Amino acid sequence: NAGVMQNPRHLVRRRGQEARLRCSPMKGHSHVYWYRQLPEEGLKFMVYLQKENIIDESGMPKERFSAEFPKEGPSILRIQQVVRGDSAAYFCASSPFSPFSGRLLVEQYFGPGTRLTVT
Amino acid sequence: KNEVEQSPQNLTAQEGEFITINCSYSVGISALHWLQQHPGGGIVSLFMLSSGKKKHGRLIATINIQEKHSSLHITASHPRDSAVYICAVRPNTGNQFYFGTGTSLTVIP
Repeated sequence: NAGVMQNPRHLVRRRGQEARLRCSPMKGHSHVYWYRQLPEEGLKFMVYLQKENIIDESGMPKERFSAEFPKEGPSILRIQQVVRGDSAAYFCASSPFSPFSGRLLVEQYFGPGTRLTVT
Repeated sequence: KNEVEQSPQNLTAQEGEFITINCSYSVGISALHWLQQHPGGGIVSLFMLSSGKKKHGRLIATINIQEKHSSLHITASHPRDSAVYICAVRPNTGNQFYFGTGTSLTVIP
């Protein structure tokens, strides 16, 4: 069972271009979380998705950022018109269970991250 | 103000030393994670706990819910333990985790 996969691992974009980051969750996992780690800062929650649904996007900037998790295929985090401040490591994590499942402990499995550099 | 505070921020130890990393949080939580991030960036979940104590090999994690505090201990530290250790909490409400800024550990041979 492969772990969480993210691609590309490194992405360089010029200001104004679009960045697309992909996350394939572990087999059987239908819950995906995206986090951003800015240089010298801790991880910050961005968005929580289930298949075909955005459950919580409270951590995502209102403009230029969007996320999806289609019925088939990976979850995509899309950043339009990138700016230098978007340079960061973007991690996704997947889980087999919903936070509302009633389980006390819901494990998340992290991908290796995508390092975005905006020049 | 960060919901999760870790100390120390940086820690250098000699091989074999006993290491403690602390995590304090300010919200009611349902679970706390300790994560390890190696140079190169990959993140591994070490522990997930909601009470008491867990042990895995040379690693021990404890949590005191009343005091809103957790500790990660490493016994007989080794250079391969060098990494950033991150504390993350899941509040009682909401979907997200709050993360500490990490403790950067360097173990010198």
